[in-house]
Amino acid sequence: DVKVTQSSRYLVKRTGEKVFLECVQDMDHENMFWYRQDPGLGLRLIYFSYDVKMKEKGDIPEGYSVSREKKERFSLILESASTNQTSMYLCASRPWTENTEAFFGQGTRLTVV
Amino acid sequence: KQEVTQIPAALSVPEGENLVLNCSFTDSAIYNLQWFRQDPGKGLTSLLLIQSSQREQTSGRLNASLDKSSGRSTLYIAASQPGDSATYLCAVLKRGGNKLTFGTGTQLKVEL
Repeated sequence: DVKVTQSSRYLVKRTGEKVFLECVQDMDHENMFWYRQDPGLGLRLIYFSYDVKMKEKGDIPEGYSVSREKKERFSLILESASTNQTSMYLCASRPWTENTEAFFGQGTRLTVV
Repeated sequence: KQEVTQIPAALSVPEGENLVLNCSFTDSAIYNLQWFRQDPGKGLTSLLLIQSSQREQTSGRLNASLDKSSGRSTLYIAASQPGDSATYLCAVLKRGGNKLTFGTGTQLKVEL
């Protein structure tokens, strides 16, 4: 069974804290993605990575950074958390081959107070 | 820029009814289209992937169709059950691209 695992289901952090969201996949996929999901705005891509140490900005990268030191792990970093970063964060992975599915983790509900 | 629209935004049906969810996209140069299900507070579960060269894909009570030239896909759910209640999202992978573009979803409620 294919798996994308996010380290936390729920997280509460204080404004200004540095926050790490971790994602691990066991499918040897090249591509990994971080999305955030907000009511009325749908899923928006924050960053993605197509290889180890490679990253590209998505549609809303401001206030975030990422790290991919190993193929199976993709981390999202909030350098200084703010209340407008309260959201559901979703990690996904997909192989290079075009006609293959993307798989998602279970989501992390982050609240910044 | 690819835009993906799902109509209706919400749908409520009685148990046993057959139903159709719609997805439209503006750029027909796609590799594939994927349908997902999302339960409240959870991640996305892949239901079906339909390649640009295909017209239909089936899995159990689900059937997805794709008309690339008109920029439309439908997800047909036969004999709906309360357990089908969820939000359904479609996403397209643009040809030459690496990122999925998502619709905003249809929230389905199947009532007893």
